[in-house]
Amino acid sequence: TQLLEQSPQFLSIQEGENLTVYCNSSSVFSSLQWYRQEPGEGPVLLVTVVTGGEVKKLKRLTFQFGDARKDSSLHITAAQPGDTGLYLCAGGEGTYKYIFGTGTRLKVLA
Amino acid sequence: DVKVTQSSRYLVKRTGEKVFLECVQDMDHENMFWYRQDPGLGLRLIYFSYDVKMKEKGDIPEGYSVSREKKERFSLILESASTNQTSMYLCASSRGTSSIDEQFFGPGTRLTVL
Repeated sequence: TQLLEQSPQFLSIQEGENLTVYCNSSSVFSSLQWYRQEPGEGPVLLVTVVTGGEVKKLKRLTFQFGDARKDSSLHITAAQPGDTGLYLCAGGEGTYKYIFGTGTRLKVLA
Repeated sequence: DVKVTQSSRYLVKRTGEKVFLECVQDMDHENMFWYRQDPGLGLRLIYFSYDVKMKEKGDIPEGYSVSREKKERFSLILESASTNQTSMYLCASSRGTSSIDEQFFGPGTRLTVL
């Protein structure tokens, strides 16, 4: 079974700080998605990357897909309390199957 | 506003009971999914349905079955609930079957089996 390891598992930072979350696997994926899940809600898609080396920006969030399509990172600039949540990466295998990462729980303190 | 709804937010059942979790989507999506979410394990796929009455096993189907009689509704059934099925259950739907398609998730059902 493929695994997607996320690090760190937990992160508590002050408002205004920068942070990076990593998503790593030994397997190659055809695509990589990042979701954010807030308490009491289901995950919501933030971005999909499909090309090795691809970088996408969503306001203060920057997503990168590794050159070999085995890993990804999410960088948040000047974190805000509204960024608090569980961040999940999901590797696509080309069809309906996704392998979800172990999750990074982020708390941004005001 | 697209929506996936789940019948219960919280559910408490006893060991051996039959449990039904219902999911409804209003987006006319072909594909629906049931996942369970456990801390440190991410989301694991239980079952997938790509059309009415069609289903495929996911990674952890043991102890579960599903039913899809109508396009908008996908039910997860625990025939005889056990304590190791205590978990958060998430339903999702998507329009396509490609791994670049967005999955839309419901708010989840937190099931406790005593």
